[in-house]
Amino acid sequence: NAGVTQTPKFRILKIGQSMTLQCAQDMNHNYMYWYRQDPGMGLKLIYYSVGAGITDKGEVPNGYNVSRSTTEDFPLRLELAAPSQTSVYFCATKGASGRSDTQYFGPGTRLTVL
Amino acid sequence: AQSVTQLGSHVSVSEGALVLLRCNYSSSVPPYLFWYVQYPNQGLQLLLKYTSAATLVKGINGFEAEFKKSETSFHLTKPSAHMSDAAEYFCAVSAMSNNDMRFGAGTRLTVKP
Repeated sequence: NAGVTQTPKFRILKIGQSMTLQCAQDMNHNYMYWYRQDPGMGLKLIYYSVGAGITDKGEVPNGYNVSRSTTEDFPLRLELAAPSQTSVYFCATKGASGRSDTQYFGPGTRLTVL
Repeated sequence: AQSVTQLGSHVSVSEGALVLLRCNYSSSVPPYLFWYVQYPNQGLQLLLKYTSAATLVKGINGFEAEFKKSETSFHLTKPSAHMSDAAEYFCAVSAMSNNDMRFGAGTRLTVKP
């Protein structure tokens, strides 16, 4: 099992460009999350999904969009890239709805907006 | 609302010395607490978690953490540091809403030979 995979690993964008960060999982988990990690700030939740066809906003959703058409995939879309979106992005999954259940993280995508 | 505070953004220890990484939490309900480790250029990996069973929780790689309700703390310890322990460590609390996590800012551990 590959677990949680993210592509690309690195990307440089110009201001105003758009891109999609891909996240795929083969763990058959219903819950999926997108976080961004800024230096000294920990991780902040961008969007999450509790199952195919259901998404909702997290703490910092502005400038991003998501979709969840299948259980396996949860892409994150940046429509008009801004320097403030320079960050490392992590996708995570969780198998059950309990608060004690573990989240499993992908390796991350490092995005730079110039 | 749930939140965690990690005291000390950088901790440096000598190889073989005790590792102590501090985490204090705030929660309006009984918390579920986690420690994650992040090695360079990798995602986060679960070290251990507290889920209201035993207050002393043992994790991978010789780490353990003790839940102290009276101190609202969940400090991470390891008796003897190894060079391979050098990484960033995150404390997290399971939030009430969204089933997501609230993470601390992280503590970078350096191990000196």
